[in-house]
Order: sequence, then structure tokens, then C-alpha cells
Amino acid sequence: TQLLEQSPQFLSIQEGENLTVYCNSSSVFSSLQWYRQEPGEGPVLLVTVVTGGEVKKLKRLTFQFGDARKDSSLHITAAQPGDTGLYLCAGGLATGGFKTIFGAGTRLFVKA
Amino acid sequence: NAGVTQTPKFRVLKTGQSMTLLCAQDMNHEYMYWYRQDPGMGLRLIHYSVGEGTTAKGEVPDGYNVSRLKKQNFLLGLESAAPSQTSVYFCASRPAGSSYEQYFGPGTRLTVT
Repeated sequence: TQLLEQSPQFLSIQEGENLTVYCNSSSVFSSLQWYRQEPGEGPVLLVTVVTGGEVKKLKRLTFQFGDARKDSSLHITAAQPGDTGLYLCAGGLATGGFKTIFGAGTRLFVKA
Repeated sequence: NAGVTQTPKFRVLKTGQSMTLLCAQDMNHEYMYWYRQDPGMGLRLIHYSVGEGTTAKGEVPDGYNVSRLKKQNFLLGLESAAPSQTSVYFCASRPAGSSYEQYFGPGTRLTVT
């Protein structure tokens, strides 16, 4: 079964706290994307990681791709209410194909 | 440049009625996808297309049909709607190649009573 498991499923934190969201699989991915989705809208691409061990930063967000390209993490530093949303990881399998595998998502709520 | 657009945004159907959801993209992308999103289940692929005139089944294709007569449009049809098809439907597109980055439309919220 080709699965991307995300954890935690739900996170409610205070403004200013740090958090990490994890995305794990037993499959190898050629690339992995992180999306953010706000209520009533479609997912919006945040970042793509391609190389094993790669780290990318987007302001207070840090994304890491595992060395074996089977897992990824998203770390948010000093979370703000504007970070509230559903975070989805997704990837294309290294074996190829046209489909993207999506995780079930992590719903983040940041309280002011 | 509108990206990916979907019509309609909302729809309520009675069981047994039919409807078509339209997706349009202006990015000249080869691949297009239809997903449904239900609470706690993430995005599930219904059908997809890798080019004009071609379609393929995803994870949950039963009860849906699709057509890609023009490169920029991807239509999703429900021939006989059922309450189990109540969901939010998203269309996405991406260019051909090794990148799996997808661009999503704003979604269609469908309720079947």
C-alpha cells in the first residue's frame, strides 16, 4: 500500500510556540511537496523537496526531506494565527507514474 | 492568468440527478486531476488525464465519468448522484515531467440530498 502518513492529525497551539509536522512512508519518493489549505479554498503549494537530506526554508517554515527520501518534516518557528490551516504533504513515487500520493493532512490552529 | 478555475462553486442535488463539474486551466498543463476531499480522509483521486482525449481511473472512480476534449478543460460528470457523493471536489493540473507540483482550483462543494 502506498501511503503517506502524517502526524499529528490535529494541533492547537498558542501564538509564539514552535511545532513540527511529520510525513512518513515506506515508499521512496522522487520529490515531496507541502501544501497549505485554508477553509473554502484549494491547497496552495508551499515547497518542493527533491534531494535526500535537503532542507528548505520559507520565512519561519523549515522543510526537510529524509536522507532515504521516505519521509519529510515541516517545522514552524514562533507560530502566528496566520499559520492556521490544513497542511498536506504529497509526493511522486520514485518508481514513476502520473499520480501524486497525498497525506491525510495536519490541521493546525494557532491561538492569539 | 487565472490558473485553475472550477464551476460551479456550490451545488445541491437530489438523489438520482445528474450534473457536470467544469475545470479549466490556462497554464497549458498536460496533466489534470479530479479529487474529492472528505473530513479525515484527505484528498482521494477520482480520475485523471495525461493529455487531450485521454483519461484514466484513480482510487475512487465509481459513479463518476470524465472527459478531456480540450487540453484546457477537464469535466467531471455524475450520472446519478448519491448521498455518498456529498463532498468537496477539487481539480488540479500540472505540467508533464518529473515535478509533481500540482495547482489546485478553489473547489466545488456538492451536497446530495
